[in-house]
Amino acid sequence: EVQLVESGGGLVKPGGSLRLSCAASGFTFSSYSMNWVRQAPGKGLDWVSSITSSSSYIYYGDSVKGRFTISRDNAKNSLYLQMNSLRAEDTAVYYCARESPLLSSYSYMDVWGKGTTVTVSS
Amino acid sequence: EIVLTQSPGTLSLSPGDRATLSCRASQSVSSSYLAWYHQKPGQAPRLLIYGASSRATGIPDRFSGSGSGTDFTLTISRLEPEDFAVYYCQHYGSSGYTFGQGTKLEIK
Repeated sequence: EVQLVESGGGLVKPGGSLRLSCAASGFTFSSYSMNWVRQAPGKGLDWVSSITSSSSYIYYGDSVKGRFTISRDNAKNSLYLQMNSLRAEDTAVYYCARESPLLSSYSYMDVWGKGTTVTVSS
Repeated sequence: EIVLTQSPGTLSLSPGDRATLSCRASQSVSSSYLAWYHQKPGQAPRLLIYGASSRATGIPDRFSGSGSGTDFTLTISRLEPEDFAVYYCQHYGSSGYTFGQGTKLEIK
């Protein structure tokens, strides 16, 4: 079964740091670009960051640029998000999501984890 | 940066009705990079449509997507009880991914 499982969420004070992980199984992780997408309480979806299969290209949304770092370990089938200088507005459920196949003519996210909750509060 | 505007914000319909959801881009976009998702409370989003009109694996044929340029539409031909959820359009561009603000499809 194709599966993504996030972990590492929790309560952190403003200015603090947190590292999220996403464990992939059931597919060849090293062949896919991966994404982090977040959803603040009661709000819509907000793309956070993308990383290509070999980590050659990395992209960030404007709201997290310079504070968050995406990375992956293909040997461990894992995706990470290092979050520094956290703010109250970073409070959200964070999802990891698999991107469409490398050679696809399309771009979409076809597999999602259940998410992990990050709360930034003093 | 491309902005996606979805309408209506809330759509109240009954099971068996036809639903038409709109997604308008602030500038012309490639249909190849336009996707639709729905999300039920407490669950992760699920891919419905990619490439503006291609159904994802396992998505019933009552869901269809259309459009080009700046105007895209998701149509659900006959609503089933499990279709009541929030629907998002998404675009992939040079700045990464952008989501619309969502349309809530609720039972009338």
